[in-house]
Amino acid sequence: EPEVTQTPSHQVTQMGQEVILRCVPISNHLYFYWYRQILGQKVEFLVSFYNNEISEKSEIFDDQFSVERPDGSNFTLKIRSTKLEDSAMYFCASSGGPAGKFSDEQFFGPGTRLTVL
Amino acid sequence: KNQVEQSPQSLIILEGKNCTLQCNYTVSPFSNLRWYKQDTGRGPVSLTIMTFSENTKSNGRYTATLDADTKQSSLHITASQLSDSASYICVVSAYTGGFKTIFGAGTRLFVKA
Repeated sequence: EPEVTQTPSHQVTQMGQEVILRCVPISNHLYFYWYRQILGQKVEFLVSFYNNEISEKSEIFDDQFSVERPDGSNFTLKIRSTKLEDSAMYFCASSGGPAGKFSDEQFFGPGTRLTVL
Repeated sequence: KNQVEQSPQSLIILEGKNCTLQCNYTVSPFSNLRWYKQDTGRGPVSLTIMTFSENTKSNGRYTATLDADTKQSSLHITASQLSDSASYICVVSAYTGGFKTIFGAGTRLFVKA
């Protein structure tokens, strides 16, 4: 069964450092997303990506964040200068159509736990 | 403001018992409502999805209901198993030119032997 994969599973970094979180969405999906979940809190939407550009982003997704689909399979989230409050689980998701449309279920990856020291 | 509220925050039940989790939303215009199961440290996995015209949907021991008039949904788990211990998240989608998905905070379910 196809699945979304994410690497690394756990990333530890120093405050101010850049990190890149990687995701391989399901191969025939067209819509890609990043979410984060701070420990003990709800899942929060960061950004959606379609046709090589951002289609929506939340207020969390500021200039420190960027996304890229560098090739036909990977989807990355870059945090330029990490802050302590960026520590969270980051989930990648993909769907065949736009999330929210009935027929287009989002499939989530297992997450990357980012710890900023 | 688009919001999704879930109750209870946490719940402890004995294995084999049934339980019902609640979700109230103020999301407009409503597109669909999904229930996800999230095991600790894992990504959410879809259980059910319902649109405005559906008022019940089952997936094995999971049955979701939707009342679009009162903007309430419930997830009923029958004959609970230890593996049902997880967070159950209600997610509501709205279409406002683009689709927005709003997550509830989840109900943490503990099933004890």
